[in-house]
Amino acid sequence: GEDVEQSLFLSVREGDSSVINCTYTDSSSTYLYWYKQEPGAGLQLLTYIFSNMDMKQDQRLTVLLNKKDKHLSLRIADTQTGDSAIYFCAESTGGRRALTFGSGTRLQVQP
Amino acid sequence: DGGITQSPKYLFRKEGQNVTLSCEQNLNHDAMYWYRQDPGQGLRLIYYSQIVNDFQKGDIAEGYSVSREKKESFPLTVTSAQKNPTAFYLCASSIVTSGSGGLFFGEGSRLTVL
Repeated sequence: GEDVEQSLFLSVREGDSSVINCTYTDSSSTYLYWYKQEPGAGLQLLTYIFSNMDMKQDQRLTVLLNKKDKHLSLRIADTQTGDSAIYFCAESTGGRRALTFGSGTRLQVQP
Repeated sequence: DGGITQSPKYLFRKEGQNVTLSCEQNLNHDAMYWYRQDPGQGLRLIYYSQIVNDFQKGDIAEGYSVSREKKESFPLTVTSAQKNPTAFYLCASSIVTSGSGGLFFGEGSRLTVL
């Protein structure tokens, strides 16, 4: 079955880079996503990557995909206190027709 | 503005009562979804619908029911058969059921059983 794993917590200092990691098991994943959730709110789509890509950059966000190891990472450059939130990775496969989410990584940014 | 509206934001229920959570979208999306979020467990899929008058069970459908009579609406009923209904419920929609679009989420409804 499908499974998406993330570490639960990451703490960084303001201005440093943050790297949030995710592993998944379904080798047929077509798209992989990163979402951000602030307290008491819904999920906001940050970025996504197609499975035939290795890297995608979008302003301060860099997504790296190692398809061989089924490993996805999200790097946030120059992390700000406003980046404090829970970050979810998710995968999509054609057969599933809905996203499977990891348990989320809580990012805490220290001033 | 286009988006997904969930109501109510907070809901309290006594044991043995059914409650219905509303989800409305004006994005003209075909697919809609309900997820449940518990602390430290991420999101789990309850039900999803790809077209009007059709829906499929997700991973944790027991104790829940849905309807999709209109494209823009996908209400979720939490029945008294759901043993542990206290949770944060998230509704989402997408243009297609797979592909690069991803899901767009509402702001969620927090249900507490007293």
